[in-house]
Amino acid sequence: GQQVMQIPQYQHVQEGEDFTTYCNSSTTLSNIQWYKQRPGGHPVFLIQLVKSGEVKKQKRLTFQFGEAKKNSSLHITATQTTDVGTYFCAGTDTGNQFYFGTGTSLTVIP
Amino acid sequence: EPEVTQTPSHQVTQMGQEVILRCVPISNHLYFYWYRQILGQKVEFLVSFYNNEISEKSEIFDDQFSVERPDGSNFTLKIRSTKLEDSAMYFCASSEGPMAASYEQYFGPGTRLTVT
Repeated sequence: GQQVMQIPQYQHVQEGEDFTTYCNSSTTLSNIQWYKQRPGGHPVFLIQLVKSGEVKKQKRLTFQFGEAKKNSSLHITATQTTDVGTYFCAGTDTGNQFYFGTGTSLTVIP
Repeated sequence: EPEVTQTPSHQVTQMGQEVILRCVPISNHLYFYWYRQILGQKVEFLVSFYNNEISEKSEIFDDQFSVERPDGSNFTLKIRSTKLEDSAMYFCASSEGPMAASYEQYFGPGTRLTVT
């Protein structure tokens, strides 16, 4: 069945370091969304990418959708303690089924 | 800012009992969703609902689950005969338009269901 895997599962960084999480789908996605979930909280929508090769930026966050629409990445420049949480990618496959990735838990050490 | 609300925040039930989880989506939203998240794991899609009917459902959403919009504001998830493995956080979400058309989903705070 469809799988959306993220690596790494956990990442600890010093405040100010960069962070990247990678999202890989076993099948082609029609779109990809990214969410942030703080510990004990609910997923909060960050962005959606639709086009092959699309890149979007939100301040220190850069999101990329792969050319084959099977992978995506989220890069955070100069992490801050407020970036702590689990980052999930989520995508819709061609059968209109929606899958969340396995998540990357980010810890920022001050 | 409008938000999705869910009640109760925590529900404890015995195995085999029926539970109803309630959600009030954002008022002008037309698309509604239920997800579950087992502790420490990823979020799993259960079902999407539009125009008073299910539009998509996952393989998790079997016959023990049902959804309803009983009035103009509430959206409910019923689990008919709970099992231990139903213990999870259940999130409701809503959006103005369909996910496929780039509409943002807004998640509620969740209901933690514990089945004993």
